[in-house]
Amino acid sequence: AQSVAQPEDQVNVAEGNPLTVKCTYSVSGNPYLFWYVQYPNRGLQFLLKYITGDNLVKGSYGFEAEFNKSQTSFHLKKPSALVSDSALYFCAVRDITNTDKLIFGTGTRLQVFP
Amino acid sequence: EPEVTQTPSHQVTQMGQEVILRCVPISNHLYFYWYRQILGQKVEFLVSFYNNEISEKSEIFDDQFSVERPDGSNFTLKIRSTKLEDSAMYFCASSSGTGTYNEQFFGPGTRLTVL
Repeated sequence: AQSVAQPEDQVNVAEGNPLTVKCTYSVSGNPYLFWYVQYPNRGLQFLLKYITGDNLVKGSYGFEAEFNKSQTSFHLKKPSALVSDSALYFCAVRDITNTDKLIFGTGTRLQVFP
Repeated sequence: EPEVTQTPSHQVTQMGQEVILRCVPISNHLYFYWYRQILGQKVEFLVSFYNNEISEKSEIFDDQFSVERPDGSNFTLKIRSTKLEDSAMYFCASSSGTGTYNEQFFGPGTRLTVL
């Protein structure tokens, strides 16, 4: 079965510092991985995805993610955090065995302090 | 930019009552999904819908739940007799296809509170 794990409930970082939000995956076959962000009282917004190709994927709002097959990880990164990046971040894997539903991790709350 | 919309944004109901959550997917999309997020927990898949029928449903999606696309634009989720544990944020999503390059676009969600 496909699954993703987000080991950290919360990540705290100072504004201007680099940030990393961790995600590991377990899939059979090729992984199709996604990051979504949820701001307070808002829906899920797509940030980026890995399907194939370059291991470093660039997405919205200056975020990027590094796919590492040997470590089965897909960590979300940003070189310089902004206070406005504070939100809930979800890693997800697409279950391609049937209807492409997304299987989400438990989420990581990112708090960026001024 | 086209977006998925959902109404209402917040629904409060009494236990045992029926509720209908409404979604308007992106107009040229063909695949539709409902997910839910119990407060503080992860987002869980409920059901997928294509070509006017359910493609897949999760264990959560029992006989109390139903979905339909009544008029070619709306996509609804009905809970026949709500329970306290149905209190959650419900997200609708749509996509243009199921290929590897098709992503799902999510609506803002409906917060359902069952009293």
